[in-house]
Amino acid sequence: GAGVSQTPSNKVTEKGKYVELRCDPISGHTALYWYRQSLGQGPEFLIYFQGTGAADDSGLPNDRFFAVRPEGSVSTLKIQRTERGDSAVYLCASSPNGLAGGDTQYFGPGTRLTVL
Amino acid sequence: KQEVTQIPAALSVPEGENLVLNCSFTDSAIYNLQWFRQDPGKGLTSLLLIQSSQREQTSGRLNASLDKSSGRSTLYIAASQPGDSATYLCAAPNAGGTSYGKLTFGQGTILTVHP
Repeated sequence: GAGVSQTPSNKVTEKGKYVELRCDPISGHTALYWYRQSLGQGPEFLIYFQGTGAADDSGLPNDRFFAVRPEGSVSTLKIQRTERGDSAVYLCASSPNGLAGGDTQYFGPGTRLTVL
Repeated sequence: KQEVTQIPAALSVPEGENLVLNCSFTDSAIYNLQWFRQDPGKGLTSLLLIQSSQREQTSGRLNASLDKSSGRSTLYIAASQPGDSATYLCAAPNAGGTSYGKLTFGQGTILTVHP
C-alpha cells in the first residue's frame, strides 16, 4: 500500500477483555515499531521488530502486552485482560531497514483504544 | 535513559510570523534527530531528519538545526500559515546496541497560527 495502515481505527472494549490491534507496514519495510500515545503526550516506545524477530521489547509495560510479526510484514499487538489505564492511541510505524542507525519512520493513523 | 523536552508547550502566533520551536535531549549519543508533525486525531508525518554528522536540514519553509554538544535542536518555520497549525514533535533514536530503532519523543509543541 501507499502508507502504513492500522485496523481498527477505533476500538471500545470492557475491562478484562482481550484485544488485537493490526498494523500493515509499507511494502518492503523490514523494520516495524509500536508506540503508545496518551492524551497530551508524545508517543512512547513499546516494541521494535527487525523482520520477524523482536529486536527490542523493552517498552512493553507488562506481560499482558504481546506483539507478533510472523511473516515479517503484518504485525499484531495483543493485549490481555485490558485495564482502563491501557486506553490510549496505539501507533504503528515502519522504516526501510532500521539497521542504518535510525532511518525515517513512517507512521500509521493509529488505533484509539478505549477500555470502559 | 534518553529524555527529550520541548519548549514551549503551546504557541499561538498571527499568520506571517517566523517562529522557533525548541527541543533538548539529555543523551548526545544519537544517530539523528527527527521532527514530526501531528494533526488532531491523526498519525505522525515526518518533516525533517538531521543526521548526527549534520548541522541542519531544510525543506521549504522549514529549517531544523542540531547541536549535539549542547543537546539541542530547533525547528524554524518561516512565514507561518494557518495550515501550519498542528502539534510538532521531536524525537531521537539512541545510538548503540539494539535500541537504534527506538525513538524517544518530546511531549510536543501545540502550534496555532491564526489568520
